Amino acid sequence: GPKVLQIPSHQIIDMGQMVTLNCDPVSNHLYFYWYKQILGQQMEFLVNFYNGKVMEKSKLFKDQFSVERPDGSYFTLKIQPTALEDSAVYFCASSLGLGGEQYFGPGTRLTVL
Amino acid sequence: GDQVEQSPSALSLHEGTGSALRCNFTTTMRAVQWFRKNSRGSLINLFYLASGTKENGRLKSAFDSKERYSTLHIRDAQLEDSGTYFCAAEYGSSGNKLIFGIGTLLSVKP
Repeated sequence: GPKVLQIPSHQIIDMGQMVTLNCDPVSNHLYFYWYKQILGQQMEFLVNFYNGKVMEKSKLFKDQFSVERPDGSYFTLKIQPTALEDSAVYFCASSLGLGGEQYFGPGTRLTVL
Repeated sequence: GDQVEQSPSALSLHEGTGSALRCNFTTTMRAVQWFRKNSRGSLINLFYLASGTKENGRLKSAFDSKERYSTLHIRDAQLEDSGTYFCAAEYGSSGNKLIFGIGTLLSVKP
């Protein structure tokens, strides 16, 4: 099936540093998403993105978070500065249309020390 | 808030038998997706339903938005079916977001 790639698979950083998580969505997809999963908890929606803009974000999407997809390259999630509670696995997803099957990447495990 | 209640949380089956997983929704959802998490932690798409039923091999899923539930039936379970299964309901005003269930850990034994 369609593949979503995420780079890196693991990232360890010190609290206060900036981190950028990269997602390579399915090539013809137009809608992009980030989800967060803290160990032992349900995966939770962070944000969705279309045509260069955030469409909807959850309360988990703090002011320190930002997303972009410059020039159709990677869809990125930037956290600046990071906090201990940002430690989680972050999953990227993409879909062709608004309302429709989402395809997920394998996740990036972020550890903030 | 909007929630997806998935049950059971764990299920043990003998090879060749079957069972059903269920997700109840506390509000009307537009569609549902079912996933299986593989050994690498990746989510494998099983079904996407906006209504009715779909079948794929030994798996069958149903979604009733009015009655606010979805089911995933597994028949003739095989060892390789073991893993964690998730339902996720599609919900959102300005865009679609998925609300995930807690997952069902399925163990298939010889």
